[in-house]
Amino acid sequence: ETGVTQSPTHLIKTRGQQVTLRCSSQSGHNTVSWYQQALGQGPQFIFQYYREEENGRGNFPPRFSGLQFPNYSSELNVNALELDDSALYLCASSLKWRASTDTQYFGPGTRLTVL
Amino acid sequence: AQTVTQSQPEMSVQEAETVTLSCTYDTSESNYYLFWYKQPPSRQMILVIRQEAYKQQNATENRFSVNFQKAAKSFSLKISDSQLGDTAMYFCAFMKQRGTQGGSEKLVFGKGTKLTVNP
Repeated sequence: ETGVTQSPTHLIKTRGQQVTLRCSSQSGHNTVSWYQQALGQGPQFIFQYYREEENGRGNFPPRFSGLQFPNYSSELNVNALELDDSALYLCASSLKWRASTDTQYFGPGTRLTVL
Repeated sequence: AQTVTQSQPEMSVQEAETVTLSCTYDTSESNYYLFWYKQPPSRQMILVIRQEAYKQQNATENRFSVNFQKAAKSFSLKISDSQLGDTAMYFCAFMKQRGTQGGSEKLVFGKGTKLTVNP
Protein backbone atom coordinates (compact mmCIF):
# COMPACT_ATOMS: atom_id res chain seq x y z
CA GLU A 1 0.00 0.00 0.00
CA THR A 2 1.45 3.35 -1.08
CA GLY A 3 1.18 6.20 1.41
CA VAL A 4 0.49 9.87 0.77
CA THR A 5 3.32 11.65 -1.00
CA GLN A 6 3.92 15.35 -1.54
CA SER A 7 6.27 17.38 -3.71
CA PRO A 8 8.40 19.35 -3.46
CA THR A 9 9.79 18.93 0.05
CA HIS A 10 10.93 22.52 0.35
CA LEU A 11 10.23 25.62 -1.70
CA ILE A 12 11.42 29.22 -1.52
CA LYS A 13 9.48 31.93 -3.32
CA THR A 14 9.34 35.71 -3.24
CA ARG A 15 6.34 37.83 -2.39
CA GLY A 16 3.90 38.19 -5.27
CA GLN A 17 4.90 34.97 -7.01
CA GLN A 18 2.69 31.94 -7.57
CA VAL A 19 3.31 28.40 -6.34
CA THR A 20 1.92 24.92 -7.03
CA LEU A 21 2.18 22.11 -4.52
CA ARG A 22 1.41 18.49 -5.40
CA CYS A 23 -0.05 15.54 -3.54
CA SER A 24 -0.60 11.89 -4.42
CA SER A 25 -3.28 10.10 -2.44
CA GLN A 26 -2.86 6.83 -0.63
CA SER A 27 -4.00 4.00 -2.86
CA GLY A 28 -7.74 3.34 -2.56
CA HIS A 29 -8.51 6.86 -1.30
CA ASN A 30 -10.76 9.26 -3.23
CA THR A 31 -10.67 12.43 -1.13
CA VAL A 32 -7.88 14.93 -0.55
CA SER A 33 -7.75 17.65 2.08
CA TRP A 34 -5.18 20.43 2.37
CA TYR A 35 -4.02 22.08 5.58
CA GLN A 36 -1.73 24.98 6.39
CA GLN A 37 0.44 24.66 9.49
CA ALA A 38 2.15 27.86 10.61
CA LEU A 39 5.18 27.52 12.87
CA GLY A 40 4.19 26.46 16.38
CA GLN A 41 0.51 26.04 15.48
CA GLY A 42 -1.87 23.22 14.69
CA PRO A 43 -2.87 22.67 11.06
CA GLN A 44 -5.68 24.82 9.63
CA PHE A 45 -8.09 23.40 7.05
CA ILE A 46 -7.80 25.03 3.62
CA PHE A 47 -10.17 22.91 1.50
CA GLN A 48 -11.16 19.40 0.52
CA TYR A 49 -11.59 17.80 -2.91
CA TYR A 50 -13.84 14.88 -3.73
CA ARG A 51 -14.63 13.60 -7.24
CA GLU A 52 -12.59 16.46 -8.70
CA GLU A 53 -14.74 19.15 -7.07
CA GLU A 54 -14.15 21.36 -4.06
CA ASN A 55 -16.12 19.88 -1.19
CA GLY A 56 -15.70 22.37 1.64
CA ARG A 57 -13.41 25.29 2.30
CA GLY A 58 -11.88 26.90 5.36
CA ASN A 59 -11.26 30.57 6.01
CA PHE A 60 -8.74 31.14 3.21
CA PRO A 61 -8.92 33.74 0.43
CA PRO A 62 -9.67 32.85 -3.21
CA ARG A 63 -5.99 33.11 -4.14
CA PHE A 64 -5.75 29.65 -2.57
CA SER A 65 -7.16 27.24 -5.15
CA GLY A 66 -6.89 23.59 -5.94
CA LEU A 67 -7.47 20.77 -8.35
CA GLN A 68 -8.11 17.08 -8.07
CA PHE A 69 -7.35 14.79 -10.97
CA PRO A 70 -9.10 11.57 -12.09
CA ASN A 71 -6.40 9.51 -10.36
CA TYR A 72 -7.28 11.39 -7.12
CA SER A 73 -3.99 13.24 -6.95
CA SER A 74 -4.27 16.94 -6.17
CA GLU A 75 -2.64 20.33 -6.51
CA LEU A 76 -2.73 23.36 -4.26
CA ASN A 77 -2.11 26.68 -6.00
CA VAL A 78 -1.39 29.92 -4.21
CA ASN A 79 -1.30 33.19 -6.16
CA ALA A 80 0.16 36.54 -5.15
CA LEU A 81 2.19 35.05 -2.32
CA GLU A 82 2.40 36.96 0.93
CA LEU A 83 4.95 36.67 3.72
CA ASP A 84 2.29 35.11 5.98
CA ASP A 85 1.88 32.24 3.52
CA SER A 86 5.17 30.84 4.82
CA ALA A 87 4.15 27.55 6.44
CA LEU A 88 4.13 23.79 6.21
CA TYR A 89 1.44 22.64 3.79
CA LEU A 90 0.00 19.24 4.56
CA CYS A 91 -2.04 17.04 2.30
CA ALA A 92 -4.25 14.29 3.72
CA SER A 93 -6.14 11.59 1.88
CA SER A 94 -9.16 9.57 2.96
CA LEU A 95 -11.91 7.39 1.58
CA LYS A 96 -15.35 8.95 1.35
CA TRP A 97 -17.89 6.14 1.14
CA ARG A 98 -21.61 6.67 1.62
CA ALA A 99 -22.21 8.17 5.05
CA SER A 100 -19.05 6.87 6.65
CA THR A 101 -16.37 9.14 7.99
CA ASP A 102 -12.91 7.87 7.33
CA THR A 103 -9.63 8.75 8.94
CA GLN A 104 -7.35 11.19 7.14
CA TYR A 105 -3.79 10.08 6.50
CA PHE A 106 -1.17 12.74 6.01
CA GLY A 107 1.77 13.21 3.70
CA PRO A 108 5.15 14.54 4.84
CA GLY A 109 4.31 18.11 3.88
CA THR A 110 5.86 20.87 1.79
CA ARG A 111 7.72 23.63 3.62
CA LEU A 112 7.06 26.93 1.80
CA THR A 113 9.15 29.99 2.60
CA VAL A 114 8.11 33.35 1.16
CA LEU A 115 10.79 36.06 1.17
CA ALA B 1 -17.88 26.27 15.28
CA GLN B 2 -15.82 23.64 17.01
CA THR B 3 -12.73 24.44 19.06
CA VAL B 4 -10.05 22.18 20.49
CA THR B 5 -7.89 23.19 23.44
CA GLN B 6 -4.66 21.59 24.57
CA SER B 7 -3.66 23.29 27.79
CA GLN B 8 -0.17 21.81 28.10
CA PRO B 9 2.25 23.41 25.61
CA GLU B 10 5.12 21.17 26.75
CA MET B 11 5.56 18.05 28.82
CA SER B 12 8.40 15.70 29.63
CA VAL B 13 8.55 12.14 30.93
CA GLN B 14 11.22 9.62 31.78
CA GLU B 15 11.64 6.61 29.58
CA ALA B 16 9.39 3.69 30.65
CA GLU B 17 7.08 5.94 32.66
CA THR B 18 3.48 6.93 31.92
CA VAL B 19 2.32 10.35 30.77
CA THR B 20 -1.14 11.82 30.10
CA LEU B 21 -1.81 14.60 27.60
CA SER B 22 -4.96 16.67 28.02
CA CYS B 23 -7.47 17.82 25.43
CA THR B 24 -10.85 19.51 25.73
CA TYR B 25 -13.19 20.47 22.93
CA ASP B 26 -16.31 22.49 22.41
CA THR B 27 -19.09 21.46 20.05
CA SER B 28 -22.85 21.35 19.75
CA GLU B 29 -22.66 18.27 17.53
CA SER B 30 -23.70 14.89 18.88
CA ASN B 31 -22.00 12.72 16.26
CA TYR B 32 -18.31 13.23 15.80
CA TYR B 33 -14.86 11.68 15.96
CA LEU B 34 -11.80 12.55 17.98
CA PHE B 35 -8.21 11.84 17.05
CA TRP B 36 -4.71 12.07 18.41
CA TYR B 37 -1.99 12.65 15.85
CA LYS B 38 1.75 12.60 16.46
CA GLN B 39 4.15 14.85 14.53
CA PRO B 40 7.81 13.98 15.10
CA PRO B 41 10.61 16.31 13.96
CA SER B 42 10.39 14.63 10.56
CA ARG B 43 7.10 16.58 10.20
CA GLN B 44 4.83 13.77 8.99
CA MET B 45 1.56 13.71 10.91
CA ILE B 46 0.93 10.15 12.09
CA LEU B 47 -2.38 8.85 13.41
CA VAL B 48 -2.06 7.58 16.98
CA ILE B 49 -5.63 6.75 17.93
CA ARG B 50 -9.23 7.42 16.92
CA GLN B 51 -12.40 7.53 19.04
CA GLU B 52 -15.99 7.53 17.81
CA ALA B 53 -18.19 9.67 20.03
CA TYR B 54 -21.03 7.15 20.01
CA LYS B 55 -18.78 4.50 21.55
CA GLN B 56 -18.62 4.48 25.34
CA GLN B 57 -15.59 2.22 25.39
CA ASN B 58 -12.29 4.06 25.36
CA ALA B 59 -10.04 3.34 22.37
CA THR B 60 -6.67 1.67 22.87
CA GLU B 61 -3.75 1.02 20.53
CA ASN B 62 -0.93 -0.90 22.19
CA ARG B 63 0.74 1.54 24.63
CA PHE B 64 -1.68 4.34 23.77
CA SER B 65 -5.12 4.73 25.33
CA VAL B 66 -7.63 7.50 25.72
CA ASN B 67 -9.95 8.66 28.47
CA PHE B 68 -13.02 9.93 26.65
CA GLN B 69 -15.50 11.84 28.80
CA LYS B 70 -18.28 12.95 26.45
CA ALA B 71 -20.27 14.97 28.96
CA ALA B 72 -17.18 16.86 30.06
CA LYS B 73 -15.97 17.14 26.44
CA SER B 74 -12.60 15.81 27.46
CA PHE B 75 -10.32 13.49 25.49
CA SER B 76 -6.97 12.76 27.13
CA LEU B 77 -4.21 10.51 25.77
CA LYS B 78 -2.25 8.18 28.04
CA ILE B 79 1.09 6.84 26.88
CA SER B 80 2.37 3.90 28.88
CA ASP B 81 5.96 2.64 28.96
CA SER B 82 7.17 5.80 27.19
CA GLN B 83 9.89 5.31 24.59
CA LEU B 84 12.43 7.73 23.15
CA GLY B 85 10.63 7.45 19.81
CA ASP B 86 7.51 8.93 21.39
CA THR B 87 9.22 12.34 21.46
CA ALA B 88 7.06 14.52 19.20
CA MET B 89 4.33 17.13 18.99
CA TYR B 90 0.95 15.61 19.80
CA PHE B 91 -2.19 17.12 18.32
CA CYS B 92 -5.73 16.49 19.41
CA ALA B 93 -8.27 16.86 16.59
CA PHE B 94 -12.06 16.91 16.14
CA MET B 95 -14.09 15.91 13.11
CA LYS B 96 -17.85 16.21 12.72
CA GLN B 97 -19.50 13.12 11.30
CA ARG B 98 -20.50 13.74 7.71
CA GLY B 99 -23.76 11.81 7.56
CA THR B 100 -25.98 11.25 4.53
CA GLN B 101 -26.30 14.91 3.53
CA GLY B 102 -22.71 15.06 2.35
CA GLY B 103 -20.34 17.87 3.18
CA SER B 104 -16.68 17.98 3.91
CA GLU B 105 -14.92 16.26 6.76
CA LYS B 106 -12.44 18.75 8.08
CA LEU B 107 -10.21 18.19 11.05
CA VAL B 108 -10.09 20.92 13.69
CA PHE B 109 -6.79 20.78 15.56
CA GLY B 110 -5.57 22.04 18.89
CA LYS B 111 -2.27 23.88 19.15
CA GLY B 112 -0.42 20.79 20.23
CA THR B 113 1.64 19.52 23.16
CA LYS B 114 5.36 19.03 22.76
CA LEU B 115 6.33 15.79 24.51
CA THR B 116 9.93 14.98 25.32
CA VAL B 117 10.88 11.51 26.54
CA ASN B 118 14.13 11.60 28.51
CA PRO B 119 16.51 8.63 28.79
